[in-house]
Amino acid sequence: SQTIHQWPATLVQPVGSPLSLECTVEGTSNPNLYWYRQAAGRGLQLLFYSVGIGQISSEVPQNLSASRPQDRQFILSSKKLLLSDSGFYLCAWSAGGYEQFFGPGTRLTVL
Amino acid sequence: RKEVEQDPGPFNVPEGATVAFNCTYSNSASQSFFWYRQDCRKEPKLLMSVYSSGNEDGRFTAQLNRASQYISLLIRDSKLSDSATYLCVALGYGQNFVFGPGTRLSVLP
Repeated sequence: SQTIHQWPATLVQPVGSPLSLECTVEGTSNPNLYWYRQAAGRGLQLLFYSVGIGQISSEVPQNLSASRPQDRQFILSSKKLLLSDSGFYLCAWSAGGYEQFFGPGTRLTVL
Repeated sequence: RKEVEQDPGPFNVPEGATVAFNCTYSNSASQSFFWYRQDCRKEPKLLMSVYSSGNEDGRFTAQLNRASQYISLLIRDSKLSDSATYLCVALGYGQNFVFGPGTRLSVLP
């Protein structure tokens, strides 16, 4: 069966510091991968998605970036965090046009 | 107009009640639809997929009306454990999943 991992589970970072969140999927090949952010009390905002290694589509221009160095690994990064980057970051995978399955998420607080 | 719209609620219903949520979508090219539930501070979890006119799974029934561009979710015999936020999702072209803002349900004893 497929499993999706995210780490860390929680993170507290100062403004201006870098960020690296990692997501890995097990039990499937060539998944579509997604990064979402959910601000407190708000809906999910799609940040990036990837249909293959090295292929990244950005939905919202901001100070975040994403990379997919391996088939089942998706990384979200920032060089300098802003206060507005605080939120619940969710990674998800899908088998191309079917349901999405989410990881447990990373709760990021930028102080 | 937002691509996927939902009444944010909250819907407060007694145990055993039947409750229905509606969701409207603006992109007529949307191919597939899903309902997720999200518990507080947790990730969304898939509740139902809706590929044709509807789907039923136990106490949960989802219906799709393509002509009017809405999807509904009906929950019968509500349980306390049904309390959550319910997210409506539309899948358009290009693997683009569009989430609605969610409808909050509280089932009261």
